[in-house]
Amino acid sequence: GQNIDQPTEMTATEGAIVQINCTYQTSGFNGLFWYQQHAGEAPTFLSYNVLDGLEEKGRFSSFLSRSKGYSYLLLKELQMKDSASYLCAPLNTNAGKSTFGDGTTLTVKP
Amino acid sequence: KAGVTQTPRYLIKTRGQQVTLSCSPISGHRSVSWYQQTPGQGLQFLFEYFSETQRNKGNFPGRFSGRQFSNSRSEMNVSTLELGDSALYLCASSSGISAGRADEQFFGPGTRLTVL
Repeated sequence: GQNIDQPTEMTATEGAIVQINCTYQTSGFNGLFWYQQHAGEAPTFLSYNVLDGLEEKGRFSSFLSRSKGYSYLLLKELQMKDSASYLCAPLNTNAGKSTFGDGTTLTVKP
Repeated sequence: KAGVTQTPRYLIKTRGQQVTLSCSPISGHRSVSWYQQTPGQGLQFLFEYFSETQRNKGNFPGRFSGRQFSNSRSEMNVSTLELGDSALYLCASSSGISAGRADEQFFGPGTRLTVL
């Protein structure tokens, strides 16, 4: 099985930077996904990390440390539309599927 | 390319009834996964179908079942509905080329089921 831990809620100011952490314990780990989900909508893919290090994609970056069972999602130049839930999902090769954390609800304030 | 579609979008049922939800994946995708999302439990994996066969299964009771057709469309059935089954049911499609490998999932809009 696997345990996934990420903060329940975070608040940040428009234009700022926020880091959302995720720690996990899983067997057969083969990478980690981050998804964004706006209220009332389906999750959408943000990033996938399989190797250690930082992957940058515009205002969003994702970091992975396999040895520490740790990942974070970094959001820069926050915009109001970034208010959403961010889901961490490690991929378990043995199970052949990803399991989702409960998500971090980010609120961006003016 | 059309996205993942789910029908119906909203459904109200009473306890004891049964319900069938439908999901049409992105054209060319052969894997369909079903998830239940509730405010207190987050996204919980139900099962995955690939080429008409159930490939993975989560920890849900036997009242939850599914199937996949030759055109990759999938249905999920819940029998003997309980109040706790009220949730958003999401399906996600992926190419499913190799189980366990990184395979981005594309989610449908979901079916919101309310059990009274």
